[in-house]
Amino acid sequence: DIHMTQSPSSLSASVGDRVIISCRASQSINSYLNWFQQKPGKAPKLLIYAASILQSGVPSRFSGSASGTHFTLTISSLQPEDFAIYYCQQSYSTPQTFGQGTKLEI
Amino acid sequence: EVQLVQSGPEVKKPGESLKISCKGSGFTFSNYWIGWVRQMPGKGLEWMGIIYPGDSDTRQSPSFQGQVSISADKSINTAYLQWTSLKASDTAIYYCARAFSAAGHVLDYWGPGTLVTVSS
Repeated sequence: DIHMTQSPSSLSASVGDRVIISCRASQSINSYLNWFQQKPGKAPKLLIYAASILQSGVPSRFSGSASGTHFTLTISSLQPEDFAIYYCQQSYSTPQTFGQGTKLEI
Repeated sequence: EVQLVQSGPEVKKPGESLKISCKGSGFTFSNYWIGWVRQMPGKGLEWMGIIYPGDSDTRQSPSFQGQVSISADKSINTAYLQWTSLKASDTAIYYCARAFSAAGHVLDYWGPGTLVTVSS
């Protein structure tokens, strides 16, 4: 299985901050990397797929990038509704695997 | 509008069987893969497997193989997750999600989840 490692596990930030969350794959995944946001009691929501493609309806303050097996999710200016848990996930091979999550809190 | 409607919460005893469902609407169900994801209490997301209702082609995580089975009935736009003998460790929320084929199978629309509680 491909192992996905996210950092940090938790992050404190303020409204208006620029935040970067990292995700590293244990082997090449050809940019088949997706980012999800999950709020308490809710299903995950797809934010970005294929490392950098913004899902329809997702605000442009979210962006993703890739460099080899290292991927980042950037939120350019945090809004109150962005406080949540973020997961990366590889869809390159079965079984697909998720990172352990990054909790973004105030 | 794409929707995935999941069956309601379940409370079961260890050893009992269970089948939960996920009904899709607003898209051509048989043309998309449907995935299942587990979330144990207070934990992260675990990919269980996916099925293509058009021909029931199924890819399952080895971690869940033999523990649970995935099936679908394209005639009623419904996918299923089934256990024959539940354990307390099966207590979790189970999400179904539609998967579109771009950079692998990307889970774009998710159901609200089904809470399964297994307790004696």
